Amino acid sequence: QQQVKQSPQSLIVQKGGISIINCAYENTAFDYFPWYQQFPGKGPALLIAIRPDVSEKKEGRFTISFNKSAKQFSLHIMDSQPGDSATYFCAAGGSNYKLTFGKGTLLTVNP
Amino acid sequence: DSGVTQTPKHLITATGQRVTLRCSPRSGDLSVYWYQQSLDQGLQFLIQYYNGEERAKGNILERFSAQQFPDLHSELNLSSLELGDSALYFCASSVAPTSPDTQYFGPGTRLTVL
Repeated sequence: QQQVKQSPQSLIVQKGGISIINCAYENTAFDYFPWYQQFPGKGPALLIAIRPDVSEKKEGRFTISFNKSAKQFSLHIMDSQPGDSATYFCAAGGSNYKLTFGKGTLLTVNP
Repeated sequence: DSGVTQTPKHLITATGQRVTLRCSPRSGDLSVYWYQQSLDQGLQFLIQYYNGEERAKGNILERFSAQQFPDLHSELNLSSLELGDSALYFCASSVAPTSPDTQYFGPGTRLTVL
């Protein structure tokens, strides 16, 4: 059972454009929603995270939007740069300590 | 650099063998998590330890076991290896015993079973 569904699987945007990645979850016990960025040959690195008491969180060019009623959250990357090309994972966590990850989105930003 | 170290970086072995993967958490972190990353299954949580004690278990096979030592480093033991065990194995660490908490990932160990 896939508890966190992520889309799209891959995304190509032009430099300066907006990249949008969406995730949906099923378990209402989740109360922590991080996004990780992974470059080839590296481990995932925490990008930004949100808790369900806020609907949006912004850090630089990265914004998480959270819709609790729809059980959806999304990552927006503004002014996308070639250096942002990586695989992005959404995840959800709750009181059982583990993170449940989406399948990942391969983002390519063309110069 | 997350501060989490993993050794070895690469491991090539044969079916039926046993291997040990090692992880050192960030300084000050008491929790260690192990994840398996494969193309078909994505990132899957295996097991968590906090200050030497097992705290949570995920999709970990009975052939796999882990432990956390008094100096807080952790080892993941994989035995009776099968071709399907080939994957990237990540260790992550965090400070707090409560969940959820920010997890910092190491660079991973790439295991190839031939």
